[in-house]
Amino acid sequence: NAGVMQNPRHLVRRRGQEARLRCSPVKGHSHVYWYRQLPEEGLKFMVYLQKENIIDESGMPKERFSAEFPKEGPSILRIQQVVRGDSAAYFCASSPPVGQENYGYTFGSGTRLTVV
Amino acid sequence: AQTVTQSQPEMSVQEAETVTLSCTYDTSESNYYLFWYKQPPSRQMILVIRQEAYKQQNATENRFSVNFQKAAKSFSLKISDSQLGDTAMYFCAFIPIKAAGNKLTFGGGTRVLVKP
Repeated sequence: NAGVMQNPRHLVRRRGQEARLRCSPVKGHSHVYWYRQLPEEGLKFMVYLQKENIIDESGMPKERFSAEFPKEGPSILRIQQVVRGDSAAYFCASSPPVGQENYGYTFGSGTRLTVV
Repeated sequence: AQTVTQSQPEMSVQEAETVTLSCTYDTSESNYYLFWYKQPPSRQMILVIRQEAYKQQNATENRFSVNFQKAAKSFSLKISDSQLGDTAMYFCAFIPIKAAGNKLTFGGGTRVLVKP
């Protein structure tokens, strides 16, 4: 049973380009979460999704950032017109359906985005 | 809103000795889970230990144990017989148990350095 798969592991973008980060959850997990980690800081919540639904996007910047979790395929975090301040590690996590949170989340290895 | 505070940015410990990491949290929820995650230089988030708020008994996992004080909203992690492989960032995390919309909230982390 594979864990959470994130790709790419490293991504370099020039200012103004788009970044697309992919996340395939653990098989059978229906909830996906995206977190951002700046250097020497903790993980900050961005967005929580279920299949075809955004449940909570309270941590997502209002502009340039979007996320989706389609019926088929991985979850995508999209950052348009990237700026240097977007440079960070972006982690995806998945969890079983509601009621099984005692197991905690399963995290991917993260995508390190560098904007040059 | 929930907050998680880790007051120690960095701790160092000699190999084979014991180190204790502190964590406090603030919540109005009565039912929740608490976790400690380890993040080694590989960046992978690894679940170390979890505690159910309704259980008075402190959780233990091999060399890792917690001191859970619900009234004080304190959740410290003790690493016994420290090993070089324990060198990592450690994050305390909290999740309320509700019908829906749960998400993990992390503290800012404590860097642990185990010295030979």
